[in-house]
Amino acid sequence: DIQLTQSPSTLSASVGDRVTITCRATQSVHTYLAWFQQKPGKAPNLLVFKASNLKSGVPSRFSGSGSGTDFALTISDLQPDDFATYYCQHYHTYPYTFGQGTKLEIK
Amino acid sequence: DVQLVESGGGLVQPGGSLRLSCTASGFRINDYDIHWVRQATGKGLEWVSAILTGGATHYAESVKGRFTISRETDKNSVFFQMNTLGAGDTAIYYCLRASSWYYFDYWGQGALVTVSS
Repeated sequence: DIQLTQSPSTLSASVGDRVTITCRATQSVHTYLAWFQQKPGKAPNLLVFKASNLKSGVPSRFSGSGSGTDFALTISDLQPDDFATYYCQHYHTYPYTFGQGTKLEIK
Repeated sequence: DVQLVESGGGLVQPGGSLRLSCTASGFRINDYDIHWVRQATGKGLEWVSAILTGGATHYAESVKGRFTISRETDKNSVFFQMNTLGAGDTAIYYCLRASSWYYFDYWGQGALVTVSS
């Protein structure tokens, strides 16, 4: 099975900051990687698919990059609404897996 | 509008069974892969199972042999039969649709399953 490791597990930042969350796979998933945002008590929302494609309606301050085994989600100019938990997920082969999550907190 | 609505969650004793339903609207379930993902309280997301457009099914090792995914096209619904439940199965179970390009584009609101005596 392909395992995904996100770094960091917790990230403290301020409004207006630029932050990057990384996701490393134990073997290549090519670009079959998505990023989700989850807020407490809610289902996750898709932000990025196929590693770098922004879902329609997602603010352009979000961006995804990478291929193979190393990926990143960057949020520039953090807004109050961005403080949440973020997950990467591959859909290359079964079983699909998620990273363990990165909690983005207000500093 | 695309919607997925889960039902059937609840409290069940260890060793018991439960059947979750996921009713879709705004699209035909036969045209898309449908997945189940679960999340224990305060924990991360765990992919659990999928039923593909062609009818093939996939399961995580943690549920293989205990859980069965199926669909009924006339009800436009996917079902998740969960047997021999244990405390480790306690979680919110989300029904998801995979887009034509296989990424998860729509999620249901989730159904809470609690396994406890």
